[in-house]
Amino acid sequence: DAEITQSPRHKITETGRQVTLACHQTWNHNNMFWYRQDLGHGLRLIHYSYGVHDTNKGEVSDGYSVSRSNTEDLPLTLESAASSQTSVYFCASSEDNTGELFFGEGSRLTVL
Amino acid sequence: DQQVKQNSPSLSVQEGRISILNCDYTNSMFDYFLWYKKYPAEGPTFLISISSIKDKNEDGRFTVFLNKSAKHLSLHIVPSQPGDSAVYFCAASAVIDKLSFGAGTTVTVRA
Repeated sequence: DAEITQSPRHKITETGRQVTLACHQTWNHNNMFWYRQDLGHGLRLIHYSYGVHDTNKGEVSDGYSVSRSNTEDLPLTLESAASSQTSVYFCASSEDNTGELFFGEGSRLTVL
Repeated sequence: DQQVKQNSPSLSVQEGRISILNCDYTNSMFDYFLWYKKYPAEGPTFLISISSIKDKNEDGRFTVFLNKSAKHLSLHIVPSQPGDSAVYFCAASAVIDKLSFGAGTTVTVRA
């Protein structure tokens, strides 16, 4: 069955380290998204992509970057992790124009 | 500034009764609205949606109502079941699949 997977599921790192969270989907969806979930804020969009080599900033993109070299993957990189980036991160994908996102199970990141 | 607001962080309802979840939005460009359900340690899953050209959409026990003039939508769950205990997120979009989410409402269904 087609799916979307995130790794690692849990990560503890130190302030200033570079961290990459992986996201892989097998639906062949063009659209992919990264959200972070924080208490009281719900899900906030970090970056998104509508296809290979396309990337766009969301509402909370500072300190994060993404790249889209193929259809299946959209890795999220924290260049220099900060304690404010402690959160649960969700990757999602969608078919064009459906409005329905399919989410991964999340990656819990703790920055000490 | 949050464009989608769910002002009730939690809701407790007895099994078999109706659950009503509310959501308000500020961006008049939003034209598609969705509800997602999330269990602990899992990703959100799509529940039901409504286009701005409609004012009601029904799917089994779930009905979403949209009041564009008030910029308000609601989700009705009838009857509520124990498996409905979860966090419910309201979402809206103005651009293809780019969703803005509310903070979520935790629903607890009591036996």
